[in-house]
This record gives sequence, structure tokens and C-alpha cells, in this order.
Amino acid sequence: AQSVTQLDSQVPVFEEAPVELRCNYSSSVSVYLFWYVQYPNQGLQLLLKYLSGSTLVESINGFEAEFNKSQTSFHLRKPSVHISDTAEYFCAVSDRAAGNKLTFGGGTRVLVKP
Amino acid sequence: ETGVTQSPTHLIKTRGQQVTLRCSSQSGHNTVSWYQQALGQGPQFIFQYYREEENGRGNFPPRFSGLQFPNYSSELNVNALELDDSALYLCASSSGQGAIYNSPLHFGNGTRLTVT
Repeated sequence: AQSVTQLDSQVPVFEEAPVELRCNYSSSVSVYLFWYVQYPNQGLQLLLKYLSGSTLVESINGFEAEFNKSQTSFHLRKPSVHISDTAEYFCAVSDRAAGNKLTFGGGTRVLVKP
Repeated sequence: ETGVTQSPTHLIKTRGQQVTLRCSSQSGHNTVSWYQQALGQGPQFIFQYYREEENGRGNFPPRFSGLQFPNYSSELNVNALELDDSALYLCASSSGQGAIYNSPLHFGNGTRLTVT
């Protein structure tokens, strides 16, 4: 069974500073990787995904994540955060056998300070 | 395009009672998944329904059951509620049985269940 580890439960960061959220997953032959964001009292919104092809994927709001197969990682980065990026971020993994089932990490809470 | 809607938004039940949570899929989606998110944790997969049949189940006891209707809406039923069932229950819809790579999950805002 897949497992996902998010090493940091909470990351405080100042506005306009860079941030990196770490995600490691258990190995599988072929995986699909996702980052979801959850704002207070809301459901999960897809931020970006890696399915195949280029190992660097980007979202429309400045986040990017890099798939590293040798290190089984899918870290999320943003070069300059805004107050509005304050939220909880979840890394998730699936594979072809799992179909639509996602296995989530425990989440990283990002608190952006002015 | 109508997103995934869940009802109710909040619910308080007593231990031993039964509860039904409801979910309307996003337009055009025929697969529904349910997740349990305990406080401070990531969501955990409960089960998935595709074309009205259960199509995958996580590590949850049989007292967690579900239904999917012809219009692809869905219900999650939990019998004999326990204190540990207190959580945010998330519904997600998608298109296709195993098409996660073409149709990622779209989540509703969840139902927060408190068991006292």
C-alpha cells in the first residue's frame, strides 16, 4: 500500500519569502502525484499534479513541484508567498492499480506572516 | 458548471446513533468517493462508487456504507456512531472508473460530524 510523509506539520513564513513543503512517498512502479490546498472551513482544491512527462509541474498561482523518482519526493515550492497562501497543503499519491483512490499525507499548515 | 455540494454542513449526533450524509456530484461526473478527515490529519479513503456500485473500499468497518443513485448523487451512512467518528467527511466526484489521470477528484466542502 502507498504511504505519504509530509515532514513538516507547520511552516511559518514571512510574506514575499520563499517556501518549500516537503513530501515523500513510498515507492511504486508508476505513481501519480498531487498537491491539494485546503482553506479554512473548505474542501480540498487541486493545486497541481504530476502524471507523466516533465518532472517540473507548475500551478497558475506561482506554485511548482518537482517529481524526483530516485528520492521518491514531490516537494512543493513558491518563490514568494502572499498572505492569501495561508492554508493547509496536502500531498497525495495514487497509482494505476488504485484507480481514483488517493492516499494523503498528514498535511502541512502554512502560516504567512506580514 | 455546478461543483460538488454536500449536506448538511454540520451535524451533531450521540454515540450509538446513525447518520446519513449526502453529496451531489459535479455535473458530468459519474464516480463518487468519500473520505474521512480527522482533526489535524489528512483525508482517508472510505470507499468509491461507480455507476451505482461500490468500486473500492478503504480500511473502514462495515458500519460505514454508501449508496450512489442514478443521477450519480451519493449517500454515506454510518451506523452505531462512535466518538472517533467525529471528523470532516469529504465527498469527491470524478469522471470515469479509473481515470484519475484524466479527471482528478473535485471535492466538496465537507460535512463536519461531531459525535458526543
